[in-house]
Amino acid sequence: EDKVVQSPLSLVVHEGDTVTLNCSYEVTNFRSLLWYKQEKKAPTFLFMLTSSGIEKKSGRLSSILDKKELFSILNITATQTGDSAIYLCAVPFYGNKLVFGAGTILRVKS
Amino acid sequence: NAGVTQTPKFQVLKTGQSMTLQCAQDMNHEYMSWYRQDPGMGLRLIHYSVGAGITDQGEVPNGYNVSRSTTEDFPLRLLSAAPSQTSVYFCASSYSSIQETQYFGPGTRLLVL
Repeated sequence: EDKVVQSPLSLVVHEGDTVTLNCSYEVTNFRSLLWYKQEKKAPTFLFMLTSSGIEKKSGRLSSILDKKELFSILNITATQTGDSAIYLCAVPFYGNKLVFGAGTILRVKS
Repeated sequence: NAGVTQTPKFQVLKTGQSMTLQCAQDMNHEYMSWYRQDPGMGLRLIHYSVGAGITDQGEVPNGYNVSRSTTEDFPLRLLSAAPSQTSVYFCASSYSSIQETQYFGPGTRLLVL
């Protein structure tokens, strides 16, 4: 059965801290892994990873995929209160059907 | 472009009532899907469509129907609402069934009493 597992489920940090969010997966015919950020409403796309070992960066956020060990990490450096959100990891299977992890709830305290 | 829009934003139903959640996109996307989000369970796929006239079941299809008569619209029907269907519902779309990046609507919060 295809599944995606995220850890930790929740995290509280102080502004300026660095956080690492984890996503492991078991999916047949792996093609890609996606990260989304969800604040109050709709998930918004962050990264899509397809190649192992190649880091994707966007400002203070970065992500990397390890296809051998079947996991990805999302790093956020110098966290800000605006980074408080649910971070979702998803893997597509059978075309474009996404299997989501349960998400990591991040709270950044000022 | 408005992107993906959903109506209503919030709805309260009584057990046994039926209703339709509306979803529309103006990006000419072929692929559209419906998810529900429950605490601690992430998003789960209900139904999806790879183009007008074509729909298929996702992970949790029971109690829901969909149709896709146009490229733009993908309504989700609850046939006989149950408290277990209390959830937040998201519609999403992507350019094609092989383009994984999906764009999500703002969600509909549904409460079934």
